[in-house]
Amino acid sequence: KQEVTQIPAALSVPEGENLVLNCSFTDSAIYNLQWFRQDPGKGLTSLLLIQSSQREQTSGRLNASLDKSSGRSTLYIAASQPGDSATYLCAVTAGTGNQFYFGTGTSLTVIP
Amino acid sequence: EAGVTQFPSHSVIEKGQTVTLRCDPISGHDNLYWYRRVMGKEIKFLLHFVKESKQDESGMPNNRFLAERTGGTYSTLKVQPAELEDSGVYFCASSHMGQANEKLFFGSGTQLSVL
Repeated sequence: KQEVTQIPAALSVPEGENLVLNCSFTDSAIYNLQWFRQDPGKGLTSLLLIQSSQREQTSGRLNASLDKSSGRSTLYIAASQPGDSATYLCAVTAGTGNQFYFGTGTSLTVIP
Repeated sequence: EAGVTQFPSHSVIEKGQTVTLRCDPISGHDNLYWYRRVMGKEIKFLLHFVKESKQDESGMPNNRFLAERTGGTYSTLKVQPAELEDSGVYFCASSHMGQANEKLFFGSGTQLSVL
């Protein structure tokens, strides 16, 4: 059974700092990995999707990497801003279906 | 373009009552998913529709939960009778082709509280 872990559970940083969020998964036979952002009272917004054949994806100040063999992914946020404050969730899918397995998330607070 | 819409946003019911949650996916999205997050736990898959057919319902916790998607448009998730452990946030998501390399679009969720 796939298990996804995110560390740390919460993170507080001053504005402008670069930061890294971590995600690990127990079964390396994944089809893809997505990073989501969730704001309080809102749904999940997909930030980056990395297919199993890829090693990283970039969007603006965000960069996500994937090391399938070691079961790890990182989300790098450059020059953090207060608007980046949210919960960040990592999710993986297996090749047999469309079911996502989620981590419990990292709650990020960027202090102005 | 309208996103995934869920109704109601909050529901408070007593144990033993029935509640029906509704999800309107993005227009044209054949694939609709229900997920649930109970307090302190990760978001977990409940089921997946392709049009009106249940593709995968392996995550449905028990037979008190019934999901339908008549006509392949909106979906409902009924809990009858509700129990305390059913409390949580129920998310709906949709995608066009249902391929694993597609992004999922999520609704804002329904916060269900069973007292």
